[in-house]
Amino acid sequence: QTVVTQESSLSVSPGGTVTLTCGLTSGSVTTDNYPSWYQQTPGQAPRTLIFSTKFRSSGVPDRFSGSILGNKAALTITGARTEDDCDYYCVLYLGSGSGISVFGPGTKVTVL
Amino acid sequence: QVQLVESGGGVVQPGKSLRLSCTATGFTFSDFAMHWVRQPPGKGLEWLAVVSVTGQNDFYADSVKGHLTISRDNSKNTLFLQINSLRYEDTALYYCARGRGYSYVGFDFWGQGSLVTVSS
Repeated sequence: QTVVTQESSLSVSPGGTVTLTCGLTSGSVTTDNYPSWYQQTPGQAPRTLIFSTKFRSSGVPDRFSGSILGNKAALTITGARTEDDCDYYCVLYLGSGSGISVFGPGTKVTVL
Repeated sequence: QVQLVESGGGVVQPGKSLRLSCTATGFTFSDFAMHWVRQPPGKGLEWLAVVSVTGQNDFYADSVKGHLTISRDNSKNTLFLQINSLRYEDTALYYCARGRGYSYVGFDFWGQGSLVTVSS
């Protein structure tokens, strides 16, 4: 069974940079997994940040960027702000006509 | 503007069935694949299913295959999720999410969710 991995928690200072990663227990993440990233604050629906590895969704600040780093997808927050203190989820498409997507367990980012 | 509004949740006894709806406005519903995602209280997000723009194709997470059915009515701009034989572990906030065009990959807009609580 394919499992998506994420750091459980990360911390960053205001104005600092933090990188979240999204991997697979078996194999490497590539652009063919179309990695996407979602932000969720408590009590709110998720918000789409990044799709297809690196494209920002409409209205998303450019301090959020997506990439492939090594064998994982990555979300980098550059110039972190206090409002970035929340949960972040990645999604990987398993592809091959399966139509199946899988969420990672989420990363809690603390800005302090 | 794009809006997705889920409905149909509530408190349901184990073993019963439930159908959730998601009404879409502000876009051409039949041009987009649609997804269901759920979140148990205090836990992470779980992708459940996607349905194609025509409704002819659907795909499910292995964990829910045979337990849930996704469908859509393009004439009513509405997405559905049928949950049969409800279990305690089905207790969650259920979100519908719009896909990125006809593709099954990724979501852009989300509803606010409909809470399903399975309790005897």
